[in-house]
Amino acid sequence: DAEITQSPRHKITETGRQVTLACHQTWNHNNMFWYRQDLGHGLRLIHYSYGVQDTNKGEVSDGYSVSRSNTEDLPLTLESAASSQTSVYFCASSASGGDNEQFFGPGTRLTVL
Amino acid sequence: QKEVEQNSGPLSVPEGAIASLNCTYSDRGSQSFFWYRQYSGKSPELIMSIYSNGDKEDGRFTAQLNKASQYVSLLIRDSQPSDSATYLCAVSPSGGYNKLIFGAGTRLAVHP
Repeated sequence: DAEITQSPRHKITETGRQVTLACHQTWNHNNMFWYRQDLGHGLRLIHYSYGVQDTNKGEVSDGYSVSRSNTEDLPLTLESAASSQTSVYFCASSASGGDNEQFFGPGTRLTVL
Repeated sequence: QKEVEQNSGPLSVPEGAIASLNCTYSDRGSQSFFWYRQYSGKSPELIMSIYSNGDKEDGRFTAQLNKASQYVSLLIRDSQPSDSATYLCAVSPSGGYNKLIFGAGTRLAVHP
């Protein structure tokens, strides 16, 4: 069965370190998205991609970057982790030309000390 | 700023009752609307999508859309304790190119 996976599921890091969160999907979806979820804010879009070599900034992109070298993966990098980036991170994907239905990975809980 | 608004709750209903969850959105050009269910500590799960005015039923769930009023709702009939979760409304904005804007969610508690 097609799926979307994220790793690690839990991560503790220190302020200033670079952190990369992995997202891998086997749906063969062109569209991939990264969100963060914080209490009271719901899901906020960090970065998204519509295909290989395409990346775009979302509403809360400062301090984050992504790259898309293949269809299956969209890793999210925190260049220099800050305590404000402590959050739960979700990756999602959707088909191009479809009805915008997004399917989510299990999430990564990141703590920055 | 395109927004999606939901009452945060908690909405408390007795088992067997109808739960009614509401969502309003600001972008009049929005075309696609979704309801996701999120259990505590889990990821959002798509449960309903609706694209045209009116009602769409799927089992115990009914989504209702009124584009003129910029309002979408989710009814859950015969509510069960297992329906206790946070329900997220998501809207695809005009010119959004497959993006979704999410509301902050309504927490539903179904008590026996």
